[in-house]
Amino acid sequence: GIQVEQSPPDLILQEGANSTLRCNFSDSVNNLQWFHQNPWGQLINLFYIPSGTKQNGRLSATTVATERYSLLYISSSQTTDSGVYFCAVLYNFNKFYFGSGTKLNVKP
Amino acid sequence: NAGVTQTPKFQVLKTGQSMTLQCAQDMNHNSMYWYRQDPGMGLRLIYYSASEGTTDKGEVPNGYNVSRLNKREFSLRLESAAPSQTSVYFCASSVQNSPGGYGYTFGSGTRLTVV
Repeated sequence: GIQVEQSPPDLILQEGANSTLRCNFSDSVNNLQWFHQNPWGQLINLFYIPSGTKQNGRLSATTVATERYSLLYISSSQTTDSGVYFCAVLYNFNKFYFGSGTKLNVKP
Repeated sequence: NAGVTQTPKFQVLKTGQSMTLQCAQDMNHNSMYWYRQDPGMGLRLIYYSASEGTTDKGEVPNGYNVSRLNKREFSLRLESAAPSQTSVYFCASSVQNSPGGYGYTFGSGTRLTVV
């Protein structure tokens, strides 16, 4: 199967700081998505981004498919951004493979 | 409310017992999935169903069976539970949106403990 690696595994920020999360993958993929799992366990779809750049409020994501990586940017972080951020890649058209996540803790 | 509904939310089993986790979606999605989440390992795909009437193995299918009962429902069965199956189980569904994106929706999870 495909390998999906996320870094850093853990991140602590002061409220208002910016951060960049990275996702590397080992093979060509059909799709890539970023998810946020909040402290209560709920998984929320953030971005569908197989290539290019997208922005949604304080969050933006960039995928460079030819170099097999994606970045998630969080600007002006808030305590509600805390949780685990996962990237997932679609491989062989119907199987999403998840990275092990970046656990973010934003302190007030 | 539209979404993915999983039952039960919590379950404790004794080793060797069997149980079925239920999942239903009301978004008319074709594809459905079962994942397990263990600490520090992200989500791993157990089984998926690309469409009604089809199922296929994911990364970690051993010890599980699935049934795609109809387009809405996709169940996961543990025939003889083992402590290694202690985990949080998530059901998800998806549809391919235009232009080529996947709308991916997760249920709220089932926390299973096998003692």
